[in-house]
Amino acid sequence: QVQLQESGPGLVKPSETLSLTCSVSGGSINGYYWSWIRRPAGKGLEWIGRIYTTGSTDYNPSLKSRVTMSVDTSKNQFSLKLSSVTAADTAVYYCAREGYAYDLGYWGQGTLVTVSS
Amino acid sequence: QTVVTQEPSFSVSPGGTVTLTCGLSSGSVSTSYYPSWYQQTPGQTPRTLIYSTNTRSSGVPDRFSGSILGNKAALTITAAQADDESDYYCVLYMGSGISVFGGGTKLTVL
Repeated sequence: QVQLQESGPGLVKPSETLSLTCSVSGGSINGYYWSWIRRPAGKGLEWIGRIYTTGSTDYNPSLKSRVTMSVDTSKNQFSLKLSSVTAADTAVYYCAREGYAYDLGYWGQGTLVTVSS
Repeated sequence: QTVVTQEPSFSVSPGGTVTLTCGLSSGSVSTSYYPSWYQQTPGQTPRTLIYSTNTRSSGVPDRFSGSILGNKAALTITAAQADDESDYYCVLYMGSGISVFGGGTKLTVL
């Protein structure tokens, strides 16, 4: 059974860069798209972007200027960087695996990131 | 930018049937958007109910079904139960690698 686990700082200062890593276990990272999604408190889910195991990326146009995703197949991990954060970026961040027909079938438990000084 | 629209809230009686919809601010939803539906209960991780318009994810009861109704994707829940009370999200694939979540529907069972 594929399992995903997010890790990274839970508190980031305004204007700094949010960095998260998703570790994949129970299966290979190769051959799939891997996504990041977030949910701000009191709001709905927002798709941030995805990365393929070759390193090819697709980003939400509204976040594209601030997002960078990367993948390390040797470690079965992929990562998210979001620059110039503000309080509006405070959210629970999830990583997920995209399968057939764009189904986000496997999710991490999510990690809360708070942007505050 | 195209917005994916969902009813903000809906209520259904226990044992009743409810249909949630997923539309576009401009245009019609078709199977080419590969609509999928996710359920998220407070404090829990989202789980897939339906993908590719009408394919139920493994382990999802057949009380949940997906379809295209008119110009929208639809999720129908029959024989509603108390533990169906959740937030429901649709996702549409917009092409060029981009997916967009709808705003979500908060379903109340009462």
